[in-house]
Amino acid sequence: DTGVSQNPRHKITKRGQNVTFRCDPISEHNRLYWYRQTLGQGPEFLTYFQNEAQLEKSRLLSDRFSAERPKGSFSTLEIQRTEQGDSAMYLCASSPRGLAGGTDTQYFGPGTRLTVL
Amino acid sequence: KQEVTQIPAALSVPEGENLVLNCSFTDSAIYNLQWFRQDPGKGLTSLLLIQSSQREQTSGRLNASLDKSSGRSTLYIAASQPGDSATYLCAVKNTGFQKLVFGTGTRLLVSP
Repeated sequence: DTGVSQNPRHKITKRGQNVTFRCDPISEHNRLYWYRQTLGQGPEFLTYFQNEAQLEKSRLLSDRFSAERPKGSFSTLEIQRTEQGDSAMYLCASSPRGLAGGTDTQYFGPGTRLTVL
Repeated sequence: KQEVTQIPAALSVPEGENLVLNCSFTDSAIYNLQWFRQDPGKGLTSLLLIQSSQREQTSGRLNASLDKSSGRSTLYIAASQPGDSATYLCAVKNTGFQKLVFGTGTRLLVSP
């Protein structure tokens, strides 16, 4: 296992269409995160899973966004009725469950760049 | 609400210079602070992670320090090289939360 993978790497869609992105975390990492990054900005947190449970969710995640991690392994992020403002890089990260006194570095994937026309 | 600021926004230096990137945060109740590197159009690569109880971490030519009480961290890069050209992002994790709060980054250009 060489790291977090994301598919597709690029997605171009028309406004109003639905899109789905997939993230495969580092194996045995039970924590998974989604972030969104627009040009010239740092990533913004969207949501966090521990195993299959979605434990944190940002206010940025409107009703059009939904994320799942059904078996505690890979995750999907779906955007319904896309808008031009959804154009961004969507980043996925994973981390191992932190041990007492241990570190919990988040390892990021290459991202999926979404362009909404 | 945690806010993270990075100064300068952009930096251009000749090869071989030592340089310092700055990061400040408003809420000192952090669990850890992480420095990342991002190449254009790519994902993030973790460089260093400092726990709230630590003062500094070192990896090769990189040294990161943390002053939690004053809400500041610095990333020191020694003997810069053209391959160091990238955007450097600082991110903090608050106690009780899992999310990272990022700054807007410093774009570094090291010229040969």
